[in-house]
Amino acid sequence: DAGVIQSPRHEVTEMGQEVTLRCKPISGHDYLFWYRQTMMRGLELLIYFNNNVPIDDSGMPEDRFSAKMPNASFSTLKIQPSEPRDSAVYFCASSLGQSSYEQYFGPGTRLTVT
Amino acid sequence: GESVGLHLPTLSVQEGDNSIINCAYSNSASDYFIWYKQESGKGPQFIIDIRSNMDKRQGQRVTVLLNKTVKHLSLQIAATQPGDSAVYFCAEIQNNRLAFGKGNQVVVIP
Repeated sequence: DAGVIQSPRHEVTEMGQEVTLRCKPISGHDYLFWYRQTMMRGLELLIYFNNNVPIDDSGMPEDRFSAKMPNASFSTLKIQPSEPRDSAVYFCASSLGQSSYEQYFGPGTRLTVT
Repeated sequence: GESVGLHLPTLSVQEGDNSIINCAYSNSASDYFIWYKQESGKGPQFIIDIRSNMDKRQGQRVTVLLNKTVKHLSLQIAATQPGDSAVYFCAEIQNNRLAFGKGNQVVVIP
C-alpha cells in the first residue's frame, strides 16, 4: 500500500487566497483525521471523519476552515481566506475501526501564507 | 514529507546505548496511551501503545512503562540506532480523541 497520500507537499500563498489541501487515506480505512502542527501548539486535531461523515470538528479554528470527505478515498481541507497565522504543517491520517487510535499519517503539507 | 522544528527537550545518546524518553500526562482518567515517532520530514508513526490496566509493555527494542500514581509514561529504546533519531510524542485519549504531548527529540551520536 502507498500509505496516506497528501498533496501538495508544499504550498506558498498570499494572505486572502483560498488554499485546498488534499488527502487520500489508506484503502479500507474508515477513519480520517486532519491535524495541524506548529511550533507553538504542537500537533492539534482539527477534525475527523468516520465512514465519510464528520464526527468531531471542534478543533477547527475558525469558519475560514472547512473539510469535506465526498467519498472513502478522498478528503479536502480548505482555508478561505488564508492568513499568515495559518502557516503550519498539515497532516492527514487514517485508521481502521477498533484501532482508530493507531493512526497512519501522511507526509504532510507545509503551508506558508505570506 | 514535512516536520516542524520545535524547540524541544533533546536527548543525545551514543549509538548502542539505551534511551529513555519521559512523558507526564494530565488526565488521571486516561486509560490508553500511545507513543509516536516523527522522523525529520515525515509524519508521526505509531510505535507502541499501553492500556491503563498494564504497567509495562514490550515491543521490538522498545518498552513502555506506565506509572499511574504519578501520571508518568516512559519509552525505553534498547541499543539505540541512528535510525532512532527522531522526535517522540506520547499521546493520551482525551474526549475520545488523541491528545499529543509536545515531544522529545532524540539525537543518536554515531
